Amino acid sequence: DVKVTQSSRYLVKRTGEKVFLECVQDMDHENMFWYRQDPGLGLRLIYFSYDVKMKEKGDIPEGYSVSREKKERFSLILESASTNQTSMYLCASGARAGYGYTFGSGTRLTVV
Amino acid sequence: AQSVTQPDIHITVSEGASLELRCNYSYGATPYLFWYVQSPGQGLQLLLKYFSGDTLVQGIKGFEAEFKRSQSSFNLRKPSVHWSDAAEYFCAVGRGSGTYKYIFGTGTRLKVLA
Repeated sequence: DVKVTQSSRYLVKRTGEKVFLECVQDMDHENMFWYRQDPGLGLRLIYFSYDVKMKEKGDIPEGYSVSREKKERFSLILESASTNQTSMYLCASGARAGYGYTFGSGTRLTVV
Repeated sequence: AQSVTQPDIHITVSEGASLELRCNYSYGATPYLFWYVQSPGQGLQLLLKYFSGDTLVQGIKGFEAEFKRSQSSFNLRKPSVHWSDAAEYFCAVGRGSGTYKYIFGTGTRLKVLA
């Protein structure tokens, strides 16, 4: 019973490529999030969205953009991939405050 | 600024032993508090959460956590660890006016010896 689906588990891209990471949730949540996870740094918030077409920068938005055209889908875009964007990317969704997030399984992106 | 500290990067316990993972937070008001578990190569799964009421919270997989306001702590416990509990554990705190924005600790990796 999968609730947050990330389109790719593993991805290898070349430096300078435009990269799209897709995330879909089936729980009708208003809020969706993109995190990156790096060893020793925990999870860092890149962007989040609290409604369709609404977005807000997180702690590390540089080099990324997002798109939310439909409530269930939240896309992370790397405009020009760089090697320092090699990481695990986690999508999450949540309803009201205090209820916690549901995470996808993650996309491990390698930029070569 | 709000922060979350998990002082133990790695913990090793024997199967059947008890477990306590520490989490300390810095926040001006009573926060929303969470523990998540991440198995290798997977996303994070919510173990338990606290935002009001009884300070001892029961979660899934036999875990519990206790909120101690005086110590700004929310430690995770399990009376008897199973080999399948080997994973990375993250504490998280809801922050700011938009409390759906959480701060995550850097994680504690648990190893279980047979």
